[in-house]
Amino acid sequence: AQKITQTQPGMFVQEKEAVTLDCTYDTSDQSYGLFWYKQPSSGEMIFLIYQGSYDEQNATEGRYSLNFQKARKSANLVISASQLGDSAMYFCAMIQGGKLIFGQGTELSVKP
Amino acid sequence: NAGVTQTPKFQVLKTGQSMTLQCAQDMNHEYMSWYRQDPGMGLRLIHYSVGAGITDQGEVPNGYNVSRSTTEDFPLRLLSAAPSQTSVYFCASSSHSPGHSISGANVLTFGAGSRLTVL
Repeated sequence: AQKITQTQPGMFVQEKEAVTLDCTYDTSDQSYGLFWYKQPSSGEMIFLIYQGSYDEQNATEGRYSLNFQKARKSANLVISASQLGDSAMYFCAMIQGGKLIFGQGTELSVKP
Repeated sequence: NAGVTQTPKFQVLKTGQSMTLQCAQDMNHEYMSWYRQDPGMGLRLIHYSVGAGITDQGEVPNGYNVSRSTTEDFPLRLLSAAPSQTSVYFCASSSHSPGHSISGANVLTFGAGSRLTVL
């Protein structure tokens, strides 16, 4: 079955350091899209970044970048210069069969 | 612009009771969906709709019904609540359906969530 996997239930990072959150996916589709969302403790879902399967460049949005390795089927989120406000759950998601499917999430804690 | 509005925010039900979670969006979005969030399991898709009059099942549809009579509204019905349906529910919409085209226009706008407890 097509699916999306986040293998890190929890991560710690020191403030101002960079951190990579892993996401791997399985699909037989040639055209697909990958998304990352952030969920702070307040509960809302915040869109961070999008990568299309045919995009030649890795997506970047401010301190967020997506390390897209198509052959390895991975779409890791890189957060540079971590801030205390980055502490949250992070979800990877993928378009599969006309709908958006989410991974299990990674809880990131930023230490001062 | 209100975005996606979910009601109620909190609800406690007894086993066997029925209820409807309401979801409305004012962005003229084509695609609407319902997810449930449980610890360690991420967000799982319950049902989705690509337009008025069209609905389809997601990953975990059992025990839930939906309808989409208008573009704006997408209610989720629990016909006979069970403790296994205790969860946080999110409604989400996007301007374009992922089934029609794949792009950044598929970004979901989420409601604030509804916490449901079934005793």
